[in-house]
Amino acid sequence: QKEVEQNSGPLSVPEGAIASLNCTYSDRGSQSFFWYRQYSGKSPELIMFIYSNGDKEDGRFTAQLNKASQYVSLLIRDSQPSDSATYLCAVIRGGSARQLTFGSGTQLTVLP
Amino acid sequence: KAGVTQTPRYLIKTRGQQVTLSCSPISGHRSVSWYQQTPGQGLQFLFEYFSETQRNKGNFPGRFSGRQFSNSRSEMNVSTLELGDSALYLCASSRDLQETQYFGPGTRLLVL
Repeated sequence: QKEVEQNSGPLSVPEGAIASLNCTYSDRGSQSFFWYRQYSGKSPELIMFIYSNGDKEDGRFTAQLNKASQYVSLLIRDSQPSDSATYLCAVIRGGSARQLTFGSGTQLTVLP
Repeated sequence: KAGVTQTPRYLIKTRGQQVTLSCSPISGHRSVSWYQQTPGQGLQFLFEYFSETQRNKGNFPGRFSGRQFSNSRSEMNVSTLELGDSALYLCASSRDLQETQYFGPGTRLLVL
């Protein structure tokens, strides 16, 4: 089992729709969760981080965390073609090896 | 505030050579992490430095090494390059260990 799993996609949504990106993690002791966006040929760019159970909203983006289910998601409202990118979920695991571990990413395409 | 900078941005080497990549973190950030990104393996953690000490290390062979200087700048070195080392090498800085990481633009290495 991978430590951080994401559906690789591609996920396609029409412009203006809600895009839902999902991520599960295996280490129950994980404490910090991040979403990065990576455009083709570019480096990852931080979108949001979340530490506590529940929802966290920032503009069109909402991160949702459910530690009991070991699940974190990212919702993008009113999706725009400029949101087309690969979205990386990252987790700081608990324990002694507290390194940032990335999922393989979900490729999102927003169709005009 | 200036972001993370990496030099060089592009590099072409041949098998057996060695390479040194440089990373300057965001001002005030003391932790620097290095990642390798390839299409097949995704984003993989190499190592993390804080206060000139390696704090975490990923599962890479000893040919991959790094160091951090007193001004928090970091270098990574790859010796005896192999074709499989062709990748995008990303540096990320954070204010402290296990805090939010911000990525530089990356160094794209091609090994021929």
